[in-house]
Amino acid sequence: AQSVTQLDSQVPVFEEAPVELRCNYSSSVSVYLFWYVQYPNQGLQLLLKYLSGSTLVESINGFEAEFNKSQTSFHLRKPSVHISDTAEYFCAVSEGAAGNKLTFGGGTRVLVKP
Amino acid sequence: DSGVTQTPKHLITATGQRVTLRCSPRSGDLSVYWYQQSLDQGLQFLIQYYNGEERAKGNILERFSAQQFPDLHSELNLSSLELGDSALYFCASSPPNRDRGGSYEQYFGPGTRLTVT
Repeated sequence: AQSVTQLDSQVPVFEEAPVELRCNYSSSVSVYLFWYVQYPNQGLQLLLKYLSGSTLVESINGFEAEFNKSQTSFHLRKPSVHISDTAEYFCAVSEGAAGNKLTFGGGTRVLVKP
Repeated sequence: DSGVTQTPKHLITATGQRVTLRCSPRSGDLSVYWYQQSLDQGLQFLIQYYNGEERAKGNILERFSAQQFPDLHSELNLSSLELGDSALYFCASSPPNRDRGGSYEQYFGPGTRLTVT
């Protein structure tokens, strides 16, 4: 069975500083990886995804994530955060078998301080 | 706005009661997924429907059931409610892929917050 571990439950960071959110997964088959963001009192928004091809994927708002198969990781990074990046971030994995269910990590709460 | 709608936004009810949560997927999406988000369990997959048929089941209690109608909207029915059922319930949809029962990425609605008192 697949599982996802987000190593940090909370990450405080100053505005304009870099941030890295760590995600490791466990699966016996090929996986597809996602990062979702949840702003306060809102639903989940797809931030970026890795399905195949280049292991480095980018979002439109400056986030990037790198798929590392040997380390079974999919860490999320942003070189310079804004106050508006304050949110909870979820890493998710799908094994791609019939059903497509997403298995989520426990989430990392990012608090950007001025 | 993801294009997935959920009603109601908030629901407060008593233990032992039954409620129905409703979801309309994005236009053209055939798959609907239900997830539960709670403080102690995190985000957990409940069930998936594809074009009206149940496709996959997760950690869904026997007291819970779901269906997808011909117009593709879905309802999640929760009965004999307990305090522990208080949670945020999300619906998600994904574009069609006949072989896989839906494409890889899922788009989430705003959720229904259920409070059982």
